[in-house]
Order: sequence, then C-alpha cells, then structure tokens
Amino acid sequence: SYVLTQPPSVSVAPGKTARITCGGNNIGSKNVHWYQQKPGQAPVLVIYHDSDRPSGIPERFSGSNSGNTATLTISRVEAGDEADYYCQVWDSNSAHQGVFGAGTQVTVL
Amino acid sequence: EVQLVESGGGLVQPGGSLRLSCAASGFTFNNYAMAWVRQAPGKGLEWVSAITASGGITYYADSVKGRFTISRDNSKNTLFLQMNSLRAEDTALYFCSKCRVLVASGGYYFDFWGQGTLVTVSS
Repeated sequence: SYVLTQPPSVSVAPGKTARITCGGNNIGSKNVHWYQQKPGQAPVLVIYHDSDRPSGIPERFSGSNSGNTATLTISRVEAGDEADYYCQVWDSNSAHQGVFGAGTQVTVL
Repeated sequence: EVQLVESGGGLVQPGGSLRLSCAASGFTFNNYAMAWVRQAPGKGLEWVSAITASGGITYYADSVKGRFTISRDNSKNTLFLQMNSLRAEDTALYFCSKCRVLVASGGYYFDFWGQGTLVTVSS
C-alpha cells in the first residue's frame, strides 16, 4: 500500500514561515490534501488538490506538489496555527483506499 | 451549515459488535460520497471506509476488510458503520466525513467532519 512520510514535528517563530513536507513515491502524480487538527477538535481541510484553499482558509496557507514531495507552507505564522497537520492522498493504483501521513506537530515558539 | 453528528460508540468486549451512525444535515446527502476515519488515542488519522453517493460501491482499509460494513440510508440522511469481531486495536475516535470527488482521478478527500464517537474495545 502507498506510504506517506511526514516529519514528526516542526517548530517556527511567530511571523516566520513553516514548511511541512509529505513524501511519497512519485507523489507529484497524485492529488494531495492537507488537514489541520487542534487538540480535542475534528480535523479541518486547509488545502485540497495540492494547492487549492477552501473558503474561509487564510491565504497564508499554501501548497505545492512535485516529484516525491508535497509541501504545506504556512506564511506569517500565528499562535493559532499551532496544531497537527496531516497530508492525505487517495490510492487508486491498487485497491481504492484513503491514505494519511502520520502527521506533523507544528509548534509556535 | 453542514452538520455531521456521530453516535453509537461505547465500550465493547473483544469479539463484540457495534453499529455507528452519522446523522447529516445542511447539504443534499444523496449527492455526496461519505467516509469514516478513525483516530486511536494519541495517534494519527486512519481512513477506515468510504461509500459512494448511491451506496452502490464501498471501499475498506485492509485493517477492517471483512469485519466492518459501511452503508447509508439516503431517505434518512444517515451513514452507518457496522463493526463486527472487534479488536483492541479498533479502539479509537471514529469520525464521519463528507467526501468530495476528484473528477480526473476518482479519488476522495474530506471537506467536512463530525466531532466523532469513541469506541473502546476492552475486557
């Protein structure tokens, strides 16, 4: 089955830029989606289709995807961005299955 | 406003069964695929199962295939997950989610989530 690899943690100072990677074999050929989950809350979709933002998500959140790495970028980081972030793809190559990365905990210093 | 409200969780012994429900409102339920995603305590998200808008096609994670059954009642705007032969490793918060389909690839992503219902498998 398809595997997505994320760093366990990323630390960033307020106002700086956080980059969260999601690695997978030829992930650039897939559509990658990103979710934010704060403690005790349900996940929230922040990026879909590699780089599209749902309504209500700040422009500070952006995404890219090429080769073997997809990246979620959070610009001008705020304290409220502290959360776990998960990447997700749909693996259509074998059995149709959803796949999540293990998640990255973003800490705002 | 989209609302997804899960119910049916609880404590069950290993080998037992449980049926989860998800009541949906705020959107045309029978136009959208739906899914279940779970999260073990302190762990990450794990996709469990999905079902097409009509209910005609279902998908399962390898970890639950043959034990769990997803279904839906479009007349009642409700999604279900029948869980049989439960194991300790099925202990998790189970989220119901509304799916969006990527037309080009047919893949799903999850644009709205409920708050989850907790399933604990223990003797």
